[in-house]
Amino acid sequence: KNEVEQSPQNLTAQEGEFITINCSYSVGISALHWLQQHPGGGIVSLFMLSSGKKKHGRLIATINIQEKHSSLHITASHPRDSAVYICAAADNYGQNFVFGPGTRLSVLP
Amino acid sequence: EAGVAQSPRYKIIEKRQSVAFWCNPISGHATLYWYQQILGQGPKLLIQFQNNGVVDDSQLPKDRFSAERLKGVDSTLKIQPAKLEDSAVYLCASTRRLAGGGEQFFGPGTRLTVL
Repeated sequence: KNEVEQSPQNLTAQEGEFITINCSYSVGISALHWLQQHPGGGIVSLFMLSSGKKKHGRLIATINIQEKHSSLHITASHPRDSAVYICAAADNYGQNFVFGPGTRLSVLP
Repeated sequence: EAGVAQSPRYKIIEKRQSVAFWCNPISGHATLYWYQQILGQGPKLLIQFQNNGVVDDSQLPKDRFSAERLKGVDSTLKIQPAKLEDSAVYLCASTRRLAGGGEQFFGPGTRLTVL
């Protein structure tokens, strides 16, 4: 069974700071997803990665398949980035998702 | 394209009562998931459907939880009888791909409080 861990659990940053959230998983996967969850519960998919790096606006996601590790970076952070960021690992068949516990990010103005 | 719809958004019940949640996935999405998210934790898969068939219900507490997806479109999740520990947000998600995987689109969730 895949175990997905995230660090840090909680993160407080000042507006404009560069932020990194880490995710590690224990067994091989077909894809790694990064999700954003705002207060109230709605979840939005940010990235789906199977290798390398993806960028969308101020968000960058990277994955190292050999090390079973992924990072989510936020450049020039803004208070509206405050949310819980969750990584989810899809197994090799793409059928099952295992979610990390989430990283709660607060960006202060 | 309309998103994943869920109702109700909030529900408060007493323990031992029954409750049902409804989900309408994005049109054309073959795979539907129900997740339970307890406060402070990541979502946990309860059940996965491909069209109207169950792919994975290994983590569904079948003595009290049931789910169906008639005609491979809408789905309902029922809890009977509810326990205090069932208090959580119940999320529905769907993907286009028949084999699952791919980007998941989430509904707004139903927040259940069991008193």
